[in-house]
Amino acid sequence: RKEVEQDPGPFNVPEGATVAFNCTYSNSASQSFFWYRQDCRKEPKLLMSVYSSGNEDGRFTAQLNRASQYISLLIRDSKLSDSATYLCAVNGGYQKVTFGIGTKLQVIP
Amino acid sequence: GAVVSQHPSRVICKSGTSVKIECRSLDFQATTMFWYRQFPKKSLMLMATSNEGSKATYEQGVEKDKFLINHASLTLSTLTVTSAHPEDSSFYICSARGTSGSSYNEQFFGPGTRLTVL
Repeated sequence: RKEVEQDPGPFNVPEGATVAFNCTYSNSASQSFFWYRQDCRKEPKLLMSVYSSGNEDGRFTAQLNRASQYISLLIRDSKLSDSATYLCAVNGGYQKVTFGIGTKLQVIP
Repeated sequence: GAVVSQHPSRVICKSGTSVKIECRSLDFQATTMFWYRQFPKKSLMLMATSNEGSKATYEQGVEKDKFLINHASLTLSTLTVTSAHPEDSSFYICSARGTSGSSYNEQFFGPGTRLTVL
């Protein structure tokens, strides 16, 4: 089983739609969790950290389910500019962060 | 704050040559930097953890004699791909870890270096 698993997609959604991605992780001792956004041929940029209590930043909501070992990202009212690949990242300790393969989102006009 | 630069952004070289990539933290000190590699349509793969003043820690399957890492100061880590071959062509990205406050454990990424070996 991979340490961090994501559905690579692509997810093709119309503008204004709500879309959700999940990411599962195998190490139950993982300590911190992140969602990154990566545009084509660019470096990843932090979108948001994921806290146990869940967190929201505008149209983006991230949640953590430790019991089932997954994190989620919800995007409401999708914009064309949201088109990108969304990487989940899990810090399993010893400073090592493992990334998922990323989920590609394409928002369609 | 928390800006990481990488140089060069793109390099094309002949097979057998060595290529050095620099990673700098511009506005903070980074005792730990990370080197990743990303092949097309693949995930970011950690190659090694670079620790200032000590030897790098390499991930399984990464040849330490081929990918030389030097972290001589708190703001600079270098990755040298020695005797590069076409299969080393990839997108190399460094990151530096935040050391305090809300950025602790967050990784700040450089813009990446696209290496093409002919």
